[in-house]
Amino acid sequence: DTEVTQTPKHLVMGMTNKKSLKCEQHMGHRAMYWYKQKAKKPPELMFVYSYEKLSINESVPSRFSPECPNSSLLNLHLHALQPEDSALYLCASSLWVQETQYFGPGTRLLVL
Amino acid sequence: QKEVEQNSGPLSVPEGAIASLNCTYSDRGSQSFFWYRQYSGKSPELIMSIYSNGDKEDGRFTAQLNKASQYVSLLIRDSQPSDSATYLCAVTENSGNTPLVFGKGTRLSVIA
Repeated sequence: DTEVTQTPKHLVMGMTNKKSLKCEQHMGHRAMYWYKQKAKKPPELMFVYSYEKLSINESVPSRFSPECPNSSLLNLHLHALQPEDSALYLCASSLWVQETQYFGPGTRLLVL
Repeated sequence: QKEVEQNSGPLSVPEGAIASLNCTYSDRGSQSFFWYRQYSGKSPELIMSIYSNGDKEDGRFTAQLNKASQYVSLLIRDSQPSDSATYLCAVTENSGNTPLVFGKGTRLSVIA
């Protein structure tokens, strides 16, 4: 089983809202990732967690706040987003950082 | 800065033809190579991984790796309209703690 799940599938939020994206995997993977993808562009790495510790933050604005409560779960907390943050947010996991990544279906986010 | 280069396309091939997708990478230390397929609005899906020089075949797909020339390619035989998608090349090295580096992707269009 190589399934990564993400909720919600779609999210519409205003610029003053606070929301969270959730990602879950039960493959025993110890690395988890958040990517942002705009239309017709490749996925853009945001954060990497390795063994539940944040190992890479690609200079992402503080209005995005990741959290890894345990080895199976990854959250992305959103606050005071801008319309330009509208995108597909992808979660991925791998056995460890340099191994094959498996992607979840993504959350389509629209910021109004 | 490690770089992975792909021709953005679109690459148009007639149904039944061989589609050839190419990828070059800058880091000679790169050891693992992956091809992902991404349909419009969906998340990337792993097609193949390759680690050693030469060819690796899986059904209609063949990955070819040439480390001396620093390129990896994906051949799709008997191309079908359902193969129309963006193909992402991803590369990593086996040392250190750096995740996959993705190319910008090649858009493939198979014409019926």
